[in-house]
Amino acid sequence: EVQLVESGGDLVQPGGSLRLSCAASGFTFSNYWMTWVRQSPGKGLEWVANIKQDGSEKYYVDSVKGRFTISRDNAKNSLFLQMNSLRGEDTAVYYCARDGEWSRHYFDFWGQGTLVTVSS
Amino acid sequence: EIVMTQSPATLSVSPGERATLSCRASQSLSSNLAWYQQKPGQAPRLLIYGASTRATGIPARFSGSGSGTEFTLTISSLESEDFAVYYCQQYTNWPPINFGQGTRLEIK
Repeated sequence: EVQLVESGGDLVQPGGSLRLSCAASGFTFSNYWMTWVRQSPGKGLEWVANIKQDGSEKYYVDSVKGRFTISRDNAKNSLFLQMNSLRGEDTAVYYCARDGEWSRHYFDFWGQGTLVTVSS
Repeated sequence: EIVMTQSPATLSVSPGERATLSCRASQSLSSNLAWYQQKPGQAPRLLIYGASTRATGIPARFSGSGSGTEFTLTISSLESEDFAVYYCQQYTNWPPINFGQGTRLEIK
């Protein structure tokens, strides 16, 4: 059974940093692109970043470029999102998601999400 | 950047009736479109990918159609558990990978 479990969400002050983790199990992690998607309270879904199977390619939404870094550890079946210079508009539930087979960029499995709140 | 527009924003339908949700892309997607269902407090669930292929375990009452810039999600006979928010998502031209703003399907 595919499982994705996020952790690391917290209340942080504007300008602060946070590192999110996603523990994957039930599939061969190194075979899949992985993605972070966020959802601000009461709003829709926003793609944040994704990373290729071997970590050689990474892409970001413009609003987080230069502030967020996606990474992965295939030996530990883990995905990460390092978030720096956090802003109020980064407040959201952050979901880890697995991309589809054959590197197709829909998302067939999702974690339960972890809440990041940026506030003073 | 491809902009995804869903309509209507809210759809009121009675249980047992058919629901038709629309998604329009600002550029051609070929068939690189997915649909998701999200219930309150839950993560999204993949329903459809490739515009018309049901994901594993998705009931046959859910169907997707369309290509290019116009897409439709049809739920043939609504059951109580189908009332939720539905999102479309394009994956043909990225980054960014964009979602529509969602359609809320509510009980009439």
